[in-house]
This record gives sequence, C-alpha cells and structure tokens, in this order.
Amino acid sequence: NAGVMQNPRHLVRRRGQEARLRCSPMKGHSHVYWYRQLPEEGLKFMVYLQKENIIDESGMPKERFSAEFPKEGPSILRIQQVVRGDSAAYFCASSPPIPRQTNYGYTFGSGTRLTVV
Amino acid sequence: DAKTTQPNSMESNEEEPVHLPCNHSTISGTDYIHWYRQLPSQGPEYVIHGLTSNVNNRMASLAIAEDRKSSTLILHRATLRDAAVYYCILRDRGATSGTYKYIFGTGTRLKVLA
Repeated sequence: NAGVMQNPRHLVRRRGQEARLRCSPMKGHSHVYWYRQLPEEGLKFMVYLQKENIIDESGMPKERFSAEFPKEGPSILRIQQVVRGDSAAYFCASSPPIPRQTNYGYTFGSGTRLTVV
Repeated sequence: DAKTTQPNSMESNEEEPVHLPCNHSTISGTDYIHWYRQLPSQGPEYVIHGLTSNVNNRMASLAIAEDRKSSTLILHRATLRDAAVYYCILRDRGATSGTYKYIFGTGTRLKVLA
C-alpha cells in the first residue's frame, strides 16, 4: 500500500514562471491537505480538499495560489508567477473520510521543495 | 493559532528515556491529543494520539494529565534516529469538517547525543 506520493521532489522555477505540485493520496483516502514550510519554520496550513471540493482554504494566499482535487487524478497545488518568497517545502497529507478521521492521523508525503531563482 | 505550548529544544543521551512535555491548558472535552515528528528533510510522521487514558504503541508512550491540560510523550530509549522536531497538536473529535485540519506549532527539536 503506497503512501502519499508527491512529485516532483525538487522543483526549480525562475521568477514569473508557474509551479505545479502534485499529490496522490493513499488508497482509500478522500481528504487532502496542503501545508507550506519555510526554511527553519513550522508547517503552515494552506488548504483542505475533498474530491472536487475545497473545504477550507483559509491558509491560501489570496493571489497566485490555487488548489484542486479532481474526481480522477492527483491533487494539484498551482502557484502562478512565482516569486522568491514562494521558495519552501510544500507537504501534502491525506486522511480517510469522516467520521474515522479522529481515530486516524494524517499520512504525509515527503514534500516538494520549490526553489525560485 | 496553535493551542499547545512546547519547549523549543531538548537534548538527550542515546539509550536514555526522553520525556517531551506539552501544555494545552485550553483543551476542550472533544479534543484529541496527537503527536507527530518530522525527521530532517522529511514530511511529518504520526507518532501517537490519545484522549484521556495513557497510550502505548511501538514508537512511544503518551501520558495524559488527569485534567488533560498537559501531556508528555515518552521515548523509552532514545536513538540517534529519533532526532527530530516533535509536534503536539490538538484535534477536534467531532465538529464540522473544517476543524479537522491540524494546526502545527513550532514543536520541540530533540537532539540525541551519542
């Protein structure tokens, strides 16, 4: 049973380009969460999605950032017109459906390290 | 905002027990206490969780105070591979789906000395 798969592991983009980060949840998990971690800082919640729905995007920057979790395929975190301040590790996690969640933790992926040059 | 308070860092000698404290004085009756750890250059990893009673698993033990306002993660014999940042997080047991997200604090950076 594969864990949460994130790709690419490392991504380098020039300022102004677009970054697309992909996350495939564990089998049977229908909830996906994205977190950002700046160097030497803790993880900051960005967005929580279920299949085809955004449940909570309170941590998403108002501009340039978007997320989706289509019916088929991985969840995508998209950053348009990247700037140097977007350089960070982006982690995706998945969990089973409610109400089992509270007796089950998240499973995190290994992250995508985005570097903007 | 994170609802837990942890020391920024701790040190331990290899093969000795480690007690990592966490204060959560505003915990509600429906909050579970979850612990995760993050090894260098990796994503967070689930360690243990509990509600009221002490819990044991193959990785660690969780001791929860009677009033639930604090808890302690216990690593019985620290190894070099246990060097990581340990996060204590409260998670609502029931409410709406929007509250299931984890809010991470700064955690405790554990250094294990050989």
